[in-house]
Amino acid sequence: GAGVSQSPSNKVTEKGKDVELRCDPISGHTALYWYRQRLGQGLEFLIYFQGNSAPDKSGLPSDRFSAERTGESVSTLTIQRTQQEDSAVYLCASSLVTSGSNTDTQYFGPGTRLTVL
Amino acid sequence: AQSVAQPEDQVNVAEGNPLTVKCTYSVSGNPYLFWYVQYPNRGLQFLLKYITGDNLVKGSYGFEAEFNKSQTSFHLKKPSALVSDSALYFCAVRLLGSYIPTFGRGTSLIVHP
Repeated sequence: GAGVSQSPSNKVTEKGKDVELRCDPISGHTALYWYRQRLGQGLEFLIYFQGNSAPDKSGLPSDRFSAERTGESVSTLTIQRTQQEDSAVYLCASSLVTSGSNTDTQYFGPGTRLTVL
Repeated sequence: AQSVAQPEDQVNVAEGNPLTVKCTYSVSGNPYLFWYVQYPNRGLQFLLKYITGDNLVKGSYGFEAEFNKSQTSFHLKKPSALVSDSALYFCAVRLLGSYIPTFGRGTSLIVHP
């Protein structure tokens, strides 16, 4: 079946511009996560959605970062006034979180490589 | 609180030899442990997980991992490495009641022909 998809696969932008990154989770997956992976680094948690609410936004690095999710479907990560340090691969993951369980596996998209010039 | 450490940035092994990628964790409770693999320019792919039960967990592509509670470790192993196993491997831990996993920094596995 279809996995997690992300678009665009690559984005090059100029410093100060806004960008929108899109994630389409696996159909039926209620949980959605955004991560940032800088070159040679591990995964940095950004935000978690359960349905269309975001119970944990603790990883967003600044108020230039925001995310929303429509229903239990598409999510958009927006970075305003991009800076060069925002350059990274942004990964999205989804999982099926059943009631009372948090053992479910995360399935990752291929990522969006953002380059801020 | 939860944390995970992958003490080796890189592991080199000859094809056909056994491989081990190390992971240790720290949680204040029962851990759920995961291994993921990332090939170049790709997202992370799930390999295996430990939730409860047998300490030895078998996963995709012939990989397995052993949960050791006393040593707080969850090392990834494979009896015979393939060149195609060369990739970046991430260990992750999640605490009961938390939906947010913590990932290690990753270990680059290089399998030489």
